[in-house]
Amino acid sequence: KAGVTQTPRYLIKTRGQQVTLSCSPISGHRSVSWYQQTPGQGLQFLFEYFSETQRNKGNFPGRFSGRQFSNSRSEMNVSTLELGDSALYLCASTRAGGPETQYFGPGTRLLVL
Amino acid sequence: KQEVTQIPAALSVPEGENLVLNCSFTDSAIYNLQWFRQDPGKGLTSLLLIQSSQREQTSGRLNASLDKSSGRSTLYIAASQPGDSATYLCAAINNAGNMLTFGGGTRLMVKP
Repeated sequence: KAGVTQTPRYLIKTRGQQVTLSCSPISGHRSVSWYQQTPGQGLQFLFEYFSETQRNKGNFPGRFSGRQFSNSRSEMNVSTLELGDSALYLCASTRAGGPETQYFGPGTRLLVL
Repeated sequence: KQEVTQIPAALSVPEGENLVLNCSFTDSAIYNLQWFRQDPGKGLTSLLLIQSSQREQTSGRLNASLDKSSGRSTLYIAASQPGDSATYLCAAINNAGNMLTFGGGTRLMVKP
């Protein structure tokens, strides 16, 4: 069974631009969560989608948004990029809606210049 | 608000040594606690998940314990190998969803 895939793997943008990252969960998984990892703040939760609905949201500004499609694939969007948005963005999937083992993708490394 | 702490931040041991990584959390009303491994520049690999009703879980040379009353979890690695070198992260879930609160991680180096 294929694991969680994320595209693109690397991305370079400039301040003020916007970016869209994609996450395909493991087949049959319906929950997708997004995390931001930086050296200073560590791993921080962005949001979780389950059955196309946002179920939980972390403490990030409204520039960060996401959505989930009917096939459980998810996208996150960051508008008006800032230098501090440079990070590794990870997504994770779980089979059902309950708290269970989460499987992470390899991440998208975003560099904002 | 849940806070998760891991001490020490870094650890270096000789090959073959048994070691314990520590994780503490402030809110004992957790659903489960999960241990992950992260290699440099890579995603996270799930190692063990302990449900709130469980005391420990084992997988190969790894054993994780959970003590909700004291707000602590430990990851025991037996007979460490250089291939175990990585950052180990613990994370807690406090609600019915899948929002993980992570500790800062312990960077482990096992020297041959």
